Amino acid sequence: DGGITQSPKYLFRKEGQNVTLSCEQNLNHDAMYWYRQDPGQGLRLIYYSQIVNDFQKGDIAEGYSVSREKKESFPLTVTSAQKNPTAFYLCASSIEGASGEQYFGPGTRLTVT
Amino acid sequence: GQNIDQPTEMTATEGAIVQINCTYQTSGFNGLFWYQQHAGEAPTFLSYNVLDGLEEKGRFSSFLSRSKGYSYLLLKELQMKDSASYLCAVTPNDYKLSFGAGTTVTVRA
Repeated sequence: DGGITQSPKYLFRKEGQNVTLSCEQNLNHDAMYWYRQDPGQGLRLIYYSQIVNDFQKGDIAEGYSVSREKKESFPLTVTSAQKNPTAFYLCASSIEGASGEQYFGPGTRLTVT
Repeated sequence: GQNIDQPTEMTATEGAIVQINCTYQTSGFNGLFWYQQHAGEAPTFLSYNVLDGLEEKGRFSSFLSRSKGYSYLLLKELQMKDSASYLCAVTPNDYKLSFGAGTTVTVRA
């Protein structure tokens, strides 16, 4: 089955630790995205990548980092510099950038205490 | 920046019709999407409008007026499973989507 997987579903970390969220897709999509969702707010774009070995900052990139070494994978690291890391994180991919439908993974709920 | 507004909550009865409005002011426009998101789950695609007019897909329809910066999502013959959040998103360029805060629709029996 083609799709996007994110793991784990729930993640707990202590403040001051970096944590990496996994995102893998087997849809052969070039574009991949990371969003953050907080209660009562829409999805906010953290980083996006149009092609392997290239990525761009989104609207709220501070405190986050990404890599895109393989087409299938776009991991997100939440660093200790991120002031409010507790949130629901969604990864998405699309065939043709933002003009095409985005397919979302199931999300990772990160709690930092 | 991008500004996308939609109502926070709406309630309707099973079998009824609900219209969710979305207004936008963005630096560019390459299309408007509607997504459905059940609580704790990933958003799923409902519709895409790039030209003015109405797009109908089963019980769901979406309308766009580019000159007015306005769209609506129409849900007909509401079912309990339609209780969800509905997200309006605009692509101001080819590279990213900007989302509204979402409208939570509650369907009552």
